[in-house]
Amino acid sequence: KQEVTQIPAALSVPEGENLVLNCSFTDSAIYNLQWFRQDPGKGLTSLLLIQSSQREQTSGRLNASLDKSSGRSTLYIAASQPGDSATYLCAVIYNQGGKLIFGQGTELSVKP
Amino acid sequence: ETGVTQSPTHLIKTRGQQVTLRCSSQSGHNTVSWYQQALGQGPQFIFQYYREEENGRGNFPPRFSGLQFPNYSSELNVNALELDDSALYLCASSAPGHNSPLHFGNGTRLTVT
Repeated sequence: KQEVTQIPAALSVPEGENLVLNCSFTDSAIYNLQWFRQDPGKGLTSLLLIQSSQREQTSGRLNASLDKSSGRSTLYIAASQPGDSATYLCAVIYNQGGKLIFGQGTELSVKP
Repeated sequence: ETGVTQSPTHLIKTRGQQVTLRCSSQSGHNTVSWYQQALGQGPQFIFQYYREEENGRGNFPPRFSGLQFPNYSSELNVNALELDDSALYLCASSAPGHNSPLHFGNGTRLTVT
C-alpha cells in the first residue's frame, strides 16, 4: 500500500529558528513530490515541487530535498517567522496526471 | 490570472440530502480533481476529470459523482449524505504538460447533521 507519513505531527519553535519537517513514503517509485502549506480552514498553497530526477528545490527561505532510494523528503525552513505558522503537507504522485497521496501534515507554530 | 474558485464556502445539509459543490479551474487548466479532507487529516483523492471525462477515481462510493464542463469548470455531487461526509472538499486544477503542480481552491466546508 502506498502511504505517506509526516513527522512530527506538530512542532512549536521560537521565531528565528531554522527547522526541518520530515516526509516519508513507502513506495519509492514516485513521479514527483510536492510540498503544500495550509492555513486554518483554507485550501492548499503549493510551495515546492520536486521531480523524481531532482535532489532538491529552493524557493526563498524554503528548501526541499528528495531521496528516492530511502523514501524520504525534508522541508527546511530558514529563519522562521510567525507568518510561517500553518500546517505543512507533503504529497506524492506515482504517475503523470495521477492522484496526489498526502501525509497527515505537520502543524507548525512559530512563537514571536 | 484568476485562481481556482469554489462555491459555496460553507454548507450545512441534513443526512440523506443531496449536495452539489462547484469549482472554477484556473485559466488554461484542463485537468480538475477533487479531494475530501476530514478534520486533522490529509486530503483524500475522490476523482479526477480531464477533458470532461473521468480518468481516475479513489476509494469513494458511487454516490460521489462529478462533471467537468467544456470551460473546464467542475461539479462534485454527493447523494444520500451521511454524517461522515462532513469535511472540507477541495478542488484542484493543473495545466497540460509534465510535472505541472496542482493549484487548489479554498474549499467548501460541508457539515452534515
